[in-house]
Amino acid sequence: KNEVEQSPQNLTAQEGEFITINCSYSVGISALHWLQQHPGGGIVSLFMLSSGKKKHGRLIATINIQEKHSSLHITASHPRDSAVYICAVRLRGGSQGNLIFGKGTKLSVKP
Amino acid sequence: NAGVTQTPKFQVLKTGQSMTLQCAQDMNHEYMSWYRQDPGMGLRLIHYSVGAGITDQGEVPNGYNVSRSTTEDFPLRLLSAAPSQTSVYFCASTAYDGAKNIQYFGAGTRLSVL
Repeated sequence: KNEVEQSPQNLTAQEGEFITINCSYSVGISALHWLQQHPGGGIVSLFMLSSGKKKHGRLIATINIQEKHSSLHITASHPRDSAVYICAVRLRGGSQGNLIFGKGTKLSVKP
Repeated sequence: NAGVTQTPKFQVLKTGQSMTLQCAQDMNHEYMSWYRQDPGMGLRLIHYSVGAGITDQGEVPNGYNVSRSTTEDFPLRLLSAAPSQTSVYFCASTAYDGAKNIQYFGAGTRLSVL
């Protein structure tokens, strides 16, 4: 049983499209992270959320604690956004850096 | 500020060999962790440390040892490598900073065990 589920697994979009990636979890959490992994393997932390919504450039992340669901949106998508996007949760009461990861959503943006 | 530095980037071992994956951070972060990433599995926590001298097991600790003698370094040791340990390994560090708790990842070590 996966405690963190992401959808879709794979996503292909045309440049300029609005993209949504979803993350659902089944455990009590204190925070949720969105990470980006590029084809070369490097991982970058995009957002950490415990409530509400955060925006950074063309990226928007939202979380609904009651529904145990988070979304990552990309506006005006660009081929450089092509990457794997990973959702991770920190368990409530868990150690600060002890995260449970989803399997990732592979995004490919075509020019 | 180099961030999180992992070495080596690539390694091939024979079954039964031992090796140490190095991880160093220069951000004075208390928390460091090791993950492995396998196809279709997502990242899984191997071991973590909440400060120098303190380590604990994660989700998949068997076959790995860690130590944390300094804040900067958190090496991961494979005592007797097995083909099941073929994976990509990531080291990460995190600052205890309340609202801004962001993980910084190293570039990864791709390990093949033959």
